Amino acid sequence: AQSVTQPDIHITVSEGASLELRCNYSYGATPYLFWYVQSPGQGLQLLLKYFSGDTLVQGIKGFEAEFKRSQSSFNLRKPSVHWSDAAEYFCAVAITDSWGKFQFGAGTQVVVTP
Amino acid sequence: NAGVTQTPKFRVLKTGQSMTLLCAQDMNHEYMYWYRQDPGMGLRLIHYSVGEGTTAKGEVPDGYNVSRLKKQNFLLGLESAAPSQTSVYFCASIPNRSGGLNEQFFGPGTRLTVL
Repeated sequence: AQSVTQPDIHITVSEGASLELRCNYSYGATPYLFWYVQSPGQGLQLLLKYFSGDTLVQGIKGFEAEFKRSQSSFNLRKPSVHWSDAAEYFCAVAITDSWGKFQFGAGTQVVVTP
Repeated sequence: NAGVTQTPKFRVLKTGQSMTLLCAQDMNHEYMYWYRQDPGMGLRLIHYSVGEGTTAKGEVPDGYNVSRLKKQNFLLGLESAAPSQTSVYFCASIPNRSGGLNEQFFGPGTRLTVL
């Protein structure tokens, strides 16, 4: 069965420091991968997505993610965190053998300290 | 365009009561989804629809029913609410199948409390 794992439930980072959020997936075929961000009281907003091609993808708000097939990972990174990056982040995989379904990870809560 | 909207934003129910959550999108999207979000569990798919008049079960469908009578609307019903259905409910949509997979567009959510 397909699954998405975000090992870190909660991360605290200082403003200006780098951030890396981990995502591991279990999926037989080539995955379609997404990272979403959810600010408090809001819906989810797409940060970036990977379908194929270059394994390093750029997204909005200065985020990037790298797809590593050998490690079944799709980690999200940002070189310098801003206070406005405090939010919950979700990794998701599209389940292409059951069209239209997406599987989400449990989320990582990011806290940014001054 | 308003995008994806959800009605109501908040609701408190007593056990056994019924209610319907409305999701509306004005982007002419074919596919629509209902998720519930619970702490530490991410988003779990309740039901989804791949077109007007179609619905399918997701990961956690028990206790919920859905209808897609119009392309732009996707209704989620709770016939007899239970405390375990206390959650935040999100609706989402994607355009269609052609051109590969697309990002999901999410509504702002409905916070439901069942006492």
